[in-house]
Amino acid sequence: EAGVAQSPRYKIIEKRQSVAFWCNPISGHATLYWYQQILGQGPKLLIQFQNNGVVDDSQLPKDRFSAERLKGVDSTLKIQPAKLEDSAVYLCASSLGLSGRGDEQYFGPGTRLTVT
Amino acid sequence: AQRVTQPEKLLSVFKGAPVELKCNYSYSGSPELFWYVQYSRQRLQLLLRHISRESIKGFTADLNKGETSFHLKKPFAQEEDSAMYYCALSGLSFNKFYFGSGTKLNVKP
Repeated sequence: EAGVAQSPRYKIIEKRQSVAFWCNPISGHATLYWYQQILGQGPKLLIQFQNNGVVDDSQLPKDRFSAERLKGVDSTLKIQPAKLEDSAVYLCASSLGLSGRGDEQYFGPGTRLTVT
Repeated sequence: AQRVTQPEKLLSVFKGAPVELKCNYSYSGSPELFWYVQYSRQRLQLLLRHISRESIKGFTADLNKGETSFHLKKPFAQEEDSAMYYCALSGLSFNKFYFGSGTKLNVKP
């Protein structure tokens, strides 16, 4: 089966600019996650969708980050405006189950964002 | 608050030696624990989960609720085990996943 796809793979922007990341999960996976991984740290969950509804977005900086999953398939994560501290790898993952708990998460290759 | 601690950033062992990657968690409810692995130039992937109680690639991990630990063990390390290992926590009362900061395992020939 095809894996989780993400684009772009790399992005360099200046602070205060906007950027968007795209994720296409594995077909049939109900749950989709966006993680932020800062260098030297583990992935931090930003937002979790089940189909096209938000399950958790408590760690999403909503003043500058937004995400949507229209039609319960693809998802986009946007940062506007970007700050230097947003430099990180943004990982998308998907899982099959209803809640995501206990389900294996399949990760995409990530998008490496550098904010200068 | 829920938290996962991996105290070692780097663990170096020789091929054939036993290896133990430590993971401690903080959660008062019923935890679900996982080990994820990222090999060089590959995606993060599930290695094993406590609920399945299986051995994958010779690795095992036992949930110790008394010590709130979920250490990953392998009796004889192989060079191909060199990778980044992340412990992760979920639970019945919340939907989030918490990842530890990771341990880089380096198996020397």
